[in-house]
Amino acid sequence: GQQLNQSPQSMFIQEGEDVSMNCTSSSIFNTWLWYKQDPGEGPVLLIALYKAGELTSNGRLTAQFGITRKDSFLNISASIPSDVGIYFCAGQLLRSTNAGKSTFGDGTTLTVKP
Amino acid sequence: GAVVSQHPSRVICKSGTSVKIECRSLDFQATTMFWYRQFPKKSLMLMATSNEGSKATYEQGVEKDKFLINHASLTLSTLTVTSAHPEDSSFYICSAPRGVSDYGYTFGSGTRLTVV
Repeated sequence: GQQLNQSPQSMFIQEGEDVSMNCTSSSIFNTWLWYKQDPGEGPVLLIALYKAGELTSNGRLTAQFGITRKDSFLNISASIPSDVGIYFCAGQLLRSTNAGKSTFGDGTTLTVKP
Repeated sequence: GAVVSQHPSRVICKSGTSVKIECRSLDFQATTMFWYRQFPKKSLMLMATSNEGSKATYEQGVEKDKFLINHASLTLSTLTVTSAHPEDSSFYICSAPRGVSDYGYTFGSGTRLTVV
């Protein structure tokens, strides 16, 4: 089956620093999604990417859908303590969410030191 | 919009008993819902796809008789862990597609199951 390699596995950064994480796949996806999970909660969708090359921002977050459709990255600028959590990338093969299901990366655990 | 409510958030049960977890889409209809299991510091492992009005589709290695899934209405899917054992202790999360034109999924808040 499809596999997603997400890196880095964990990051320890100082408040105010920028963060970058990425996902690579062995095969093509039509949609890339980035989620954040707080402890004891379900993941929350941050950014959805639908087209190869697409660059999308959500506040301090920016994500890009790789041209090859096999990778995506997420950047967080000027990190703050509430950015702490686990970030997951997910890829979908089929455009319709009612027909497809997501493949998830292993997550990047972000720790922000005040 | 697109809110998914999962209940209970935490449950402790005795070994050998069964536990039912509910997943409701509050403001939209979901013909499909997904059930995941998550171990500490690990990613989401898809267990099964719940289909309204028909049988669930289980991922390879997931015991159908152990994890019973029912999707009787367009807004409710349930996961029952039967004859629970300590190794079934985990964080279970459901999700539903956000809509035809809105990709991505809305997740429930998860259920922490502890079997003692």
